[in-house]
Amino acid sequence: DTAVSQTPKYLVTQMGNDKSIKCEQNLGHDTMYWYKQDSKKFLKIMFSYNNKELIINETVPNRFSPKSPDKAHLNLHINSLELGDSAVYFCASSQVGGSSYNEQFFGPGTRLTVL
Amino acid sequence: AQSVAQPEDQVNVAEGNPLTVKCTYSVSGNPYLFWYVQYPNRGLQFLLKYITGDNLVKGSYGFEAEFNKSQTSFHLKKPSALVSDSALYFCAVRVANDYKLSFGAGTTVTVRA
Repeated sequence: DTAVSQTPKYLVTQMGNDKSIKCEQNLGHDTMYWYKQDSKKFLKIMFSYNNKELIINETVPNRFSPKSPDKAHLNLHINSLELGDSAVYFCASSQVGGSSYNEQFFGPGTRLTVL
Repeated sequence: AQSVAQPEDQVNVAEGNPLTVKCTYSVSGNPYLFWYVQYPNRGLQFLLKYITGDNLVKGSYGFEAEFNKSQTSFHLKKPSALVSDSALYFCAVRVANDYKLSFGAGTTVTVRA
């Protein structure tokens, strides 16, 4: 059983389009995250939700909008895609309530290519 | 602000030799330290963590790491490397009451047969 899943795995689109990436975790965790990994493999946090509440909102263009319909899902919507948005986007989850020491579990990633 | 430095972009070792991947950190307060591994075209996998207690932490796949507070380091080690250990390794740090996990730039490990 996949713990953290993302769809789609690959996404190729034109500049200016709007796209969404979906993430689901079946671990029962209360916190979910979106990361961006650039071409140099540098990993940067974008957003995090704890029990559907936004708790981390890094310096990200407002074209990026996360949405958490419930604790098990965190989606990422991107408007007006730009070439610089091309990257691999990782979803992750962890259990924060009760302990702040728990590790994060990562999804397989979504490779976004903007043409 | 918290940060992590991985001073080596690449580490190359022969199979059977010891492997060390270096990590130093900077935080205000007590650090919670993590190591993750990323295989090509895959997500990150958790290897081990240091929260408190014994400075030597053992993790998955025969890896261990030693927390050194005076040197603010958390180096990852494996006594005998395997070709299958070839991957990208990330060190990460966070502090209590902060959800944010800060990652180093990563170190590519290549183990040659």
